Amino acid sequence: KQEVTQIPAALSVPEGENLVLNCSFTDSAIYNLQWFRQDPGKGLTSLLLIQSSQREQTSGRLNASLDKSSGRSTLYIAASQPGDSATYLCAVLDSSYKLIFGSGTRLLVRP
Amino acid sequence: GAVVSQHPSRVICKSGTSVKIECRSLDFQATTMFWYRQFPKQSLMLMATSNEGSKATYEQGVEKDKFLINHASLTLSTLTVTSAHPEDSSFYICSARLAGGLGEQFFGPGTRLTVL
Repeated sequence: KQEVTQIPAALSVPEGENLVLNCSFTDSAIYNLQWFRQDPGKGLTSLLLIQSSQREQTSGRLNASLDKSSGRSTLYIAASQPGDSATYLCAVLDSSYKLIFGSGTRLLVRP
Repeated sequence: GAVVSQHPSRVICKSGTSVKIECRSLDFQATTMFWYRQFPKQSLMLMATSNEGSKATYEQGVEKDKFLINHASLTLSTLTVTSAHPEDSSFYICSARLAGGLGEQFFGPGTRLTVL
C-alpha cells in the first residue's frame, strides 16, 4: 500500500530564506508526483507536476525534484515571501491511478 | 482553463438531513471525477472515484449508501451525504481529471459541511 510522508510537518522561517520541503513515498511504481498549495479553508492549487520519467520541474521561485528509485521528492522555494505561507501537499499518482496524499507541511513565512 | 467549481461552498444542516454537493468542470469534459474528504489539519483521503455513466467506485471503509455519488454528465458529479450526523462534518473536495487517462487532476474549492 502506497504511503506518502512529508517532513517537516510545520516550518516557520523569516522572509527571504530559501527552504526545502521533503516528501517520501514507499512504492516507486508511480505515474507522476504533484505538489499542491492549500490556503486555510480553501481547495488545492497545483504548483508543479513531475512525470515519472522526469527529474525536476521549475516554475518561478519553485523547483521540484523527483528521485523515483529512492522514493523522494523535494520542493525548493527560493527567496520566500509572507504570501508563500500555506500548507504544501505532496501527492503521487499510484499504479491504480489514484492520487495518494501526504499529510502536508504547514509553512509560515514571517515578515 | 481547467476550472472546477463546487456548490455550495459552505453548508450547515441538522442531524438526520441529507445534503447534496455539486462538482462541475467548467471548461473541460471530465470522464472521471474524484471525491475527497479532509479533516482539520489532516490530508485528503480519497472517498470514491466517479465515472460518467457508471457506478462510482468507493474506497474501503466508505459507506456507499451514505455517500451517494452520481455522475450524470461529463461536467457534473454530485455527492449526497444521506442522514448526516455530526461525525460527517468535514471539508469535502472534488477533483476532475482531464480525459486521456493520466491527465492532471484539477481540484474544486471545497465544501465545508457542518452537521449540528
